[in-house]
Amino acid sequence: EVQLVESGGGLVQPGRSLKLSCAASGFTFSNYYMAWVRQAPKKGLEWVATISTSGSRTYYPDSVKGRFTISRDNAKSSLYLQMNSLKSEDTATYYCARGEPDYFGYWGQGVMVTVSS
Amino acid sequence: DTVLTQSPALAVSPGERVTISCRASESVSTGMHWYQQKPGQQPKLLIYGASNLESGVPARFSGSGSGTDFTLTIDPVEADDTATYFCQQSWNDPFTFGSGTKLEIK
Repeated sequence: EVQLVESGGGLVQPGRSLKLSCAASGFTFSNYYMAWVRQAPKKGLEWVATISTSGSRTYYPDSVKGRFTISRDNAKSSLYLQMNSLKSEDTATYYCARGEPDYFGYWGQGVMVTVSS
Repeated sequence: DTVLTQSPALAVSPGERVTISCRASESVSTGMHWYQQKPGQQPKLLIYGASNLESGVPARFSGSGSGTDFTLTIDPVEADDTATYFCQQSWNDPFTFGSGTKLEIK
């Protein structure tokens, strides 16, 4: 059974940093692109980042480019999202998702990030 | 960015057929995918590539369309289908999602 478990969320002040983690199991992690998708409270979904199987290629929308960094550790079956210079509009539930590679076949339960002073 | 437009809400009775539409601001070929999100849960993939049913998803769900106009059909609708349905395009950069259609089962 595919499982994706996010961690690392919480309350952070504007301008500060936070790093999210996602532990994957139930599939061969190194064979799949991985992604982060977020959902602001009572809002829709927004793609945040995608990383290739080896980690050599990363993709971001303009809204987070230069502030967020996606990475992975295939030996640990783990995905990460380093978020810097956080803004109030980054407040959302962040989902780890398996990339197929351009849609999202499995999603974690999500982790909440609140950016507020 | 490619804007995906969905109707905000629909209400249908069990056993009926419902169509949920998604219109793209520019062509996305068949790079359209559909997700179901129940309250308090993560999204679940239903349809990929406009018309391909994800493994394990009931055959009551189907998808159609290409270019700019897409449809998710549920036939027949069941009470458990109460959820918000999102479309997502992957043809143009960046990937974008529709704002979701909330389906109520009367």
